Amino acid sequence: GAVVSQHPSWVICKSGTSVKIECRSLDFQATTMFWYRQFPKQSLMLMATSNEGSKATYEQGVEKDKFLINHASLTLSTLTVTSAHPEDSSFYICSTGGGFTTEAFFGQGTRLTVV
Amino acid sequence: AQSVSQHNHHVILSEAASLELGCNYSYGGTVNLFWYVQYPGQHLQLLLKYFSGDPLVKGIKGFEAEFIKSKFSFNLRKPSVQWSDTAEYFCAVISPTSGTYKYIFGTGTRLKVLA
Repeated sequence: GAVVSQHPSWVICKSGTSVKIECRSLDFQATTMFWYRQFPKQSLMLMATSNEGSKATYEQGVEKDKFLINHASLTLSTLTVTSAHPEDSSFYICSTGGGFTTEAFFGQGTRLTVV
Repeated sequence: AQSVSQHNHHVILSEAASLELGCNYSYGGTVNLFWYVQYPGQHLQLLLKYFSGDPLVKGIKGFEAEFIKSKFSFNLRKPSVQWSDTAEYFCAVISPTSGTYKYIFGTGTRLKVLA
């Protein structure tokens, strides 16, 4: 199956700074990648759909200016949390692949702590 | 809106005990159903999936799940758990009418198996 690598696995940053999370598809080209966020004891919530070569599609309630997504190549999508605040502390996961009859492949996730 | 409910947030079992994790979804149309597992420090990976046909689905590592359409349920079972089954389990739904094959996840169930 496809391998998705996410980096870093965990990061601690100061409030007001920006953090970039990378998601790489290692063995196939992904025109679409998905970014999820998981708060403690809650489900994985889709934040946005990252489209190679075009703008990301954000879910309702997700601030596009705060969570910048760039999908400049078929193997790399990045999520930048800008001006991070403690309430942005969460577990962020990317995935690729997936359709109605195919499974998705997930990165290992990034635990972000904003202090 | 579609949603997925997992009734147990934490489950603790002894080795060789039987496991059943509940999953209910709220959507009246055609859905495809998945169970994903995340072992500590690893990626989410597919355990099993249901698309159509036999409602009793067998997955990897001895897991199975039964789709009961009338109950909107897709419970995960394993007759005899092992210590290595300690992980977090997510039920997910995908519906073709959602347009872009977005996954909707349950809140997850943390399973701890005592040796």
